[in-house]
Amino acid sequence: QVQLQESGPGLVKPSQTLSLTCTVSGGSIDSGIYYWTWIRQPAGKGLEWIGRIYASGGINYNPSLKNRVIISLDMSKNEFSLKLNSVTAADTGVYYCATGRGALTAWFDPWGQGTLVTVSS
Amino acid sequence: QSVLTQPPSASGTPGQRVTIYCSGSSSDIGSNHVYWYQHIPGMAPKVVIHRNNQRASGVPDRFSGSKSVTSASLAISGLRPEDEADYYCAAWDGSLSGFCVFGTGTKVTVL
Repeated sequence: QVQLQESGPGLVKPSQTLSLTCTVSGGSIDSGIYYWTWIRQPAGKGLEWIGRIYASGGINYNPSLKNRVIISLDMSKNEFSLKLNSVTAADTGVYYCATGRGALTAWFDPWGQGTLVTVSS
Repeated sequence: QSVLTQPPSASGTPGQRVTIYCSGSSSDIGSNHVYWYQHIPGMAPKVVIHRNNQRASGVPDRFSGSKSVTSASLAISGLRPEDEADYYCAAWDGSLSGFCVFGTGTKVTVL
C-alpha cells in the first residue's frame, strides 16, 4: 500500500522559505487516484490543512495561507513538495503529508510520520 | 478561515461512554461528509470514522459517528485507556475554491 515520508530542514530562519518534500512509495503519484496533501499542526495548536495537488495539476490551498504557499509534483521522483515563504515563529510545528481520498472529502489515509520544523534565528 | 468547533476536553472512566460534538456550517458539514481523526502525540493522526458514520478498517465498534444538518458527533463506548488521545473532526468546505477544515480538537482523558 501507499506509504509517505516527509523530508526537509528542521530549522528555518524567520522570513525565509520552508521547503519540504514527501516521497511516495507503494503507488504512483500520477495514478490519478489520490489528492496529495499537506497538513500541519502548529506548536500548541490543532491540525490545519495547508493544501493539496492532484495528478492533473489541480491545486487547492487553504485561503488563510494561499498567498505564501506553493505545492508541486515531481512525477520523475514520485514526490510532491511544499514551499511556504515568509515564515514566522507561528509556522513552527509538525508538518505531515497525507493521501487525500477524494475530491470533496476530508479523508486522509495514510499519513506520513510527520516532520518537525522550527522557525528561529 | 472557518474552523469546526469542538469542546476542548472530554473525560470518562474506563467502560463509560464519551461523546464529542463538532459544529460547522452549511458550506462544510451541511454539504459534505464528516471525518474523525484520533491523534496520539508523537504519532500521525489516524482516521477512525469516514463518511459520517463508517468505521475505518481495524477500528473497534466502540467508535461510532453521526451527523445531523451542520453538526456531527463521535461516541466512544466502553472507554479504554488506549482511547486517550486528541480527536478532530474534519470536512470539506465548498465555499471559495474549496478547502478542508478541521475541528478545534478535543482531548479525551480516561480517568
